[in-house]
Formats: sequence, C-alpha cells, structure tokens
Amino acid sequence: QKEVEQNSGPLSVPEGAIASLNCTYSDRGSQSFFWYRQYSGKSPELIMSIYSNGDKEDGRFTAQLNKASQYVSLLIRDSQPSDSATYLCAVWASGTYKYIFGTGTRLKVLA
Amino acid sequence: EAQVTQNPRYLITVTGKKLTVTCSQNMNHEYMSWYRQDPGLGLRQIYYSMNVEVTDKGDVPEGYKVSRKEKRNFPLILESPSPNQTSLYFCASRGLDRDEKLFFGSGTQLSVL
Repeated sequence: QKEVEQNSGPLSVPEGAIASLNCTYSDRGSQSFFWYRQYSGKSPELIMSIYSNGDKEDGRFTAQLNKASQYVSLLIRDSQPSDSATYLCAVWASGTYKYIFGTGTRLKVLA
Repeated sequence: EAQVTQNPRYLITVTGKKLTVTCSQNMNHEYMSWYRQDPGLGLRQIYYSMNVEVTDKGDVPEGYKVSRKEKRNFPLILESPSPNQTSLYFCASRGLDRDEKLFFGSGTQLSVL
C-alpha cells in the first residue's frame, strides 16, 4: 500500500463547475496535510494546508480532513481553465520527519 | 526574497561521470529534502535532513549521496550516474512546525546517456 494515494486522472470538469480531488494516507501518525498545484515542468506551489478535522476554506478552495477515515480532499469551486494542472497531496509525519507526496491528480478544466 | 536556489537547471551527462547538484536556502530552515519526479510516479523523496550533520534516507536513496555541513546547503551527489537516474529533481526546505509549507527550488532536469 502506498503511503499517500491519489487517483491519477485526468479529471475533466467544465468551466464554472466544482472539481473534487481526493487523497488517502496510510500513516495514522501523520499530522499535517497539504495540497500543491503543479504546472508542467514547474515547481509545486502550495494551495492549502490543513491539520484539524473538518473543513478549511480559502477563496475558491476548500480542504477537508477526516483523520478517522485517513482521507483528505480538495474542492475547487467555479473552476477556471487556469486551474488545469496536476494537484499533489502531501503528508507530514512529524514522528518520521518524512514529507510524502501522492502521485498527483491531473485536472482539466474545459472552457 | 525567500528562496531555494538549485543549480544547474539542465544537465546532460554520461554514465559513470560523477556529478553534484547544488541546493541552497536563505530562510534558515532546519529541514531540507531532495525529490525526483518521474511520469506517473509523482514526487519521490530521495534523502532529507533535519539539521546540520543529520540526514536520513527517503524512499529512493539508492545511487545518491547527500551532505549537510552547513544549514543553508544540501547538495545531491551522484557518484556513478546511470540512465535510470534520468529525471526531474527538486530540492526543498521548510521549518519544523507542523503547518509549514515546502519551499521548492526551480528543479534540475537531468539526462544520463
């Protein structure tokens, strides 16, 4: 079992729709969870971080965390073509000092 | 400006010729890490360091070496590169608080012929 799992996609949504990206993790000692966006050939950039159960909202983005189910999600409202990118879920386990990424989900927003 | 500086941006080499990719950060971060990125495999951690002289293996350390003699620098060394090390490499750093993000370098595209 991979430590952080994501569906590779591509996930295609029409412009203006809600995109829902999901991630599961295996280490129950994980404390912090992150979503990064990466355009092809570029460095990842942070979108959201979350470490408490529940929802965290920032503009068009909402991160959701359920530690009991070991599940993290990212919702993108009013999706724009510029949101088309690969979204990486990452997990920080302070006990091991590992910062582990999933394989990423490719999102395509269709104009 | 807070940044992670990684060099070179592109590197083409031949099998067996030792090379070093440099990484430096100006944020006084304790944590530094190297990743490689391959299609379909995402970002895989090679080595990481929690502080000076403290390093540990990530998920794919074979064929790589690192050192952390100074807090700001964390070079990646390939002593005898092989074609399966052709990849896009990223250096990154962060503080140790739980909600701190990773700051990434601009990446090094390595081709081993």
